[in-house]
Amino acid sequence: GAGVSQSPRYKVTKRGQDVALRCDPISGHVSLYWYRQALGQGPEFLTYFNYEAQQDKSGLPNDRFSAERPEGSISTLTIQRTEQRDSAMYRCASSLPGHDTEAFFGQGTRLTVV
Amino acid sequence: GQSLEQPSEVTAVEGAIVQINCTYQTSGFYGLSWYQQHDGGAPTFLSYNALDGLEETGRFSSFLSRSDSYGYLLLQELQMKDSASYFCAVKSNSGYALNFGKGTSLLVTP
Repeated sequence: GAGVSQSPRYKVTKRGQDVALRCDPISGHVSLYWYRQALGQGPEFLTYFNYEAQQDKSGLPNDRFSAERPEGSISTLTIQRTEQRDSAMYRCASSLPGHDTEAFFGQGTRLTVV
Repeated sequence: GQSLEQPSEVTAVEGAIVQINCTYQTSGFYGLSWYQQHDGGAPTFLSYNALDGLEETGRFSSFLSRSDSYGYLLLQELQMKDSASYFCAVKSNSGYALNFGKGTSLLVTP
């Protein structure tokens, strides 16, 4: 696609439910990142994929958070047993090989846990 | 660990020049990036400095001094549309992810 596409754009879920957030990166971008951004703050790193390999998951807050990219393209971030503190903007970004300081961000998924 | 420090807010007048500073602490340094984010929008890449010196891209320039662990973003001929948040970022110690500062909110006034 022309840009990084994320869906849904908005998600409201009840506490305790599981949610899955989807990211479709720019075609040809092998690097894919998930970030979480609170209002008025910078993006906070969650996890990184190189093709289908999850090479860094040091930013995932706890074991309720997981991510996959099984075919090296589309990625899913899953949050199990959501809590109110999980409410935030979740952003996906992708970059070309060797150009990972220039990441292209999607419009994000605004998650609200009620 | 890593840390990035930048001013939280800056105000400047249309047509003026403004400099947004960033100081960083990191054990492994791969360069300094700058991103712009308008309210309600996604962060967009502005510039990247791997080596010391000034990089110029139109009205925007970015500077890096590795010995001082310091960089800045210079915006010239400010326009109202430049009102946005600006983030400096460095690669994580793992070398994979970008870690962002808390951002500087720039307000351009008439």
